[in-house]
Amino acid sequence: QVQLQESGPGLVKPSETLSLSCTVSGGSITSDYWSWIRQTPGSGLEWIGYLSYTGRTNYHPSLKSRVTISADTSKNQFSLNLNSVTAADTAVYYCVRLTIVGAISAFDYWGQGTLVTVSS
Amino acid sequence: SSDLTQDPAVSVALGQTVRITCQGDSLRSYYATWYQQKPGRAPLLVIYDKNNRPSGIPDRFSGSNSGNTASLTITGAQAEDEADYYCSCRDNNANHWLFGGGTKLTVL
Repeated sequence: QVQLQESGPGLVKPSETLSLSCTVSGGSITSDYWSWIRQTPGSGLEWIGYLSYTGRTNYHPSLKSRVTISADTSKNQFSLNLNSVTAADTAVYYCVRLTIVGAISAFDYWGQGTLVTVSS
Repeated sequence: SSDLTQDPAVSVALGQTVRITCQGDSLRSYYATWYQQKPGRAPLLVIYDKNNRPSGIPDRFSGSNSGNTASLTITGAQAEDEADYYCSCRDNNANHWLFGGGTKLTVL
């Protein structure tokens, strides 16, 4: 059973960088795709991007200029960095496994989520 | 188009059948996946591909697709099915993923 656990600060100041890590157990980040998804009360769920097992990344167009997703294979972790944050980036952030088989895809394992608030 | 549209709220009487719909151009190219979310919990995958359920999801949940519309049907809704339901699919114009705005299901 794959399990994911987010970690990182719950409070970030405006204009600074939001940094979260996700520790994966029961699976390896050297296979599959590993995503970040966030949820805000007003805007629902938003896919942020993924890191593939080959190390390739793919980001949502609206966030592409501010996002980096990277991996630490020695720790079986992947991380999210979102810079120049504003209050609009306040959300619950989930790390999620994305399974892709041809045209079929699904976010099949989710972390519990971590609330990040952007405020001074 | 990069939008998936869902009705904000739907209600169903206990034991009856309810259909939750999702509309969007990308659904002409990709099947929808459906997620159930209860308060304070992470979303849970309930339907993927044409009409497949992950292990542990009751068979009262089913999915279907026609044109630009995907549907999640719950046959014989139970009290524990009261939750928010989100559809998702791959954007047909780009390699990224979309979510609908969610449908709040109330079981009466």
